[in-house]
Amino acid sequence: LAKTTQPISMDSYEGQEVNITCSHNNIATNDYITWYQQFPSQGPRFIIQGYKTKVTNEVASLFIPADRKSSTLSLPRVSLSDTAVYYCLVGDKISGNTPLVFGKGTRLSVIA
Amino acid sequence: GAVVSQHPSWVICKSGTSVKIECRSLDFQATTMFWYRQFPKQSLMLMATSNEGSKATYEQGVEKDKFLINHASLTLSTLTVTSAHPEDSSFYICSARLGWTSGQETQYFGPGTRLLVL
Repeated sequence: LAKTTQPISMDSYEGQEVNITCSHNNIATNDYITWYQQFPSQGPRFIIQGYKTKVTNEVASLFIPADRKSSTLSLPRVSLSDTAVYYCLVGDKISGNTPLVFGKGTRLSVIA
Repeated sequence: GAVVSQHPSWVICKSGTSVKIECRSLDFQATTMFWYRQFPKQSLMLMATSNEGSKATYEQGVEKDKFLINHASLTLSTLTVTSAHPEDSSFYICSARLGWTSGQETQYFGPGTRLLVL
């Protein structure tokens, strides 16, 4: 399973756009990139998933360059409620039995 | 999105007792579920992969006789912590993989179960 590297923590003010970059140099051809959000004492919540280029949903955007060795989660206009740990994971979509392996994640603190 | 529930949400027990945690996929069938453990300020650690109708696959270092996993149906997996000790106190989270739908295929996580062993 591809290993991921993210910044340990980030701070942002309310209303700003936050970009969290994840490195996954050993990503395999069949791997997809998925981001999760976790609040204290809760299970992770799916945010967004992509394979290449750009993916956007109502919550975030995911930018993936052509070499797919990194990805950037973009959160527009963050609020205090976006304070959480964000995990970047890569995994094989085809194999249904392959679990997601979590790295350390990025602890985002949004300040008023 | 798909919903995964866990019960109980928290439990306090005495050292030496056994505790059962249930994980249910409420609106989809999951042939495979996963169990994770998370200590304070740390990331999720995979404990085992639970397969419906067969034995679970445990990660290295996880005692299969201590953490009993049963996946008797396509919507229910249980984790039993046998003879619990204070070092087993942790946050236990299950997840289930939802197959290809709406262009996505990913795991959905339960809300977690907080276990405190006194």
